[in-house]
Amino acid sequence: DGGITQSPKYLFRKEGQNVTLSCEQNLNHDAMYWYRQDPGQGLRLIYYSQIVNDFQKGDIAEGYSVSREKKESFPLTVTSAQKNPTAFYLCASKGQVHGYTFGSGTRLTVV
Amino acid sequence: AQSVTQPDIHITVSEGASLELRCNYSYGATPYLFWYVQSPGQGLQLLLKYFSGDTLVQGIKGFEAEFKRSQSSFNLRKPSVHWSDAAEYFCAVGSPSGNTPLVFGKGTRLSVIA
Repeated sequence: DGGITQSPKYLFRKEGQNVTLSCEQNLNHDAMYWYRQDPGQGLRLIYYSQIVNDFQKGDIAEGYSVSREKKESFPLTVTSAQKNPTAFYLCASKGQVHGYTFGSGTRLTVV
Repeated sequence: AQSVTQPDIHITVSEGASLELRCNYSYGATPYLFWYVQSPGQGLQLLLKYFSGDTLVQGIKGFEAEFKRSQSSFNLRKPSVHWSDAAEYFCAVGSPSGNTPLVFGKGTRLSVIA
């Protein structure tokens, strides 16, 4: 079945470390998105990509980086510059039909 | 700029009672509107969407929503709530071109009591 796979489901990071969250889709969707979710804050856009080798900053891009070398993959790196990275991270994709397909999320905790 | 307001942070309803979750949006033209549901620790699942045409749209799990242009609203309803409906619900607005990302509200958490 087609879908979006996020891994790992849980991730722990030490202070000062960079970590990379994986997002893979086999839906043949062009656009992909990363959102951060904090309690009571809804979903806030970090980065998005509408086509391979191109991506744009969202509302809260500081301390994060992405790449889009393949259509299927849109990894998110949380750098040491992100001062408060503990959150639930959601990846989504969109094809020709409007509306997003979401992955099941990665919960990142700083230890 | 697009924005979405969900006025109710948390709603509690009795099982079998009716439900209405409110959503107000700000958008310059006729938007595309969505409702998503999220169970704890999971991703979001699309409940329904409005693009054009009939302003009352039906979705999965017995949900419906009504687009009211004059009130800039897209409220979600269900006639009889089941305990399994307890979750967080998000309203989102997008452009018809699809070239800009969806903007989400902050969500409404639904609790269902016996």
